Amino acid sequence: DTGVSQNPRHKITKRGQNVTFRCDPISEHNRLYWYRQTLGQGPEFLTYFQNEAQLEKSRLLSDRFSAERPKGSFSTLEIQRTEQGDSAMYLCASSFVPGENTEAFFGQGTRLTVV
Amino acid sequence: GENVEQHPSTLSVQEGDSAVIKCTYSDSASNYFPWYKQELGKRPQLIIDIRSNVGEKKDQRIAVTLNKTAKHFSLHITETQPEDSAVYFCAASDVGFGNEKLTFGTGTRLTIIP
Repeated sequence: DTGVSQNPRHKITKRGQNVTFRCDPISEHNRLYWYRQTLGQGPEFLTYFQNEAQLEKSRLLSDRFSAERPKGSFSTLEIQRTEQGDSAMYLCASSFVPGENTEAFFGQGTRLTVV
Repeated sequence: GENVEQHPSTLSVQEGDSAVIKCTYSDSASNYFPWYKQELGKRPQLIIDIRSNVGEKKDQRIAVTLNKTAKHFSLHITETQPEDSAVYFCAASDVGFGNEKLTFGTGTRLTIIP
């Protein structure tokens, strides 16, 4: 297990198209988070899962966004009818809760460019 | 919700000098304060963290201090080296109550001048 893995690393899409990203967390981690990072800003929380249950969604997550973690392992984030404002780095993180160490480990992200 | 402010946005220091980055948070329920380092094009990586039951924590050249009363915490890097150049993010969360989502500051771009 080499850490949190995200695919693809880069995605260029035309406005109006749908895109889907995948995140494979560290295998024993039960928590999985999605964040969005725009240039010059810190990551912003989008949503998180405890195993397969989606427990919270940010107001940033419009109804064009949907995330799943069907078997409590990998997760997908889909954006429908993409807009230029969706261009950002989408980061996934995982952790194990509860525990002494709740460190969130980040993936390298998927950079989305909407043209 | 939580709001984290971070200063300065950019910081340049001579190699060997110290660097200090400061953050404030708004939610008194926050009890976990990690610092992440992000190099260009790479993932954020945890460099040090502190919990609210501790006032200071040190790991080699890196230290973090926390003032719960004032709701601020700081990152101190001593004897800076060129490889310390990166963007540093502070964050806050409320650990132990079922939601460990992180609220990040806007980042500090640290440049070490050789």
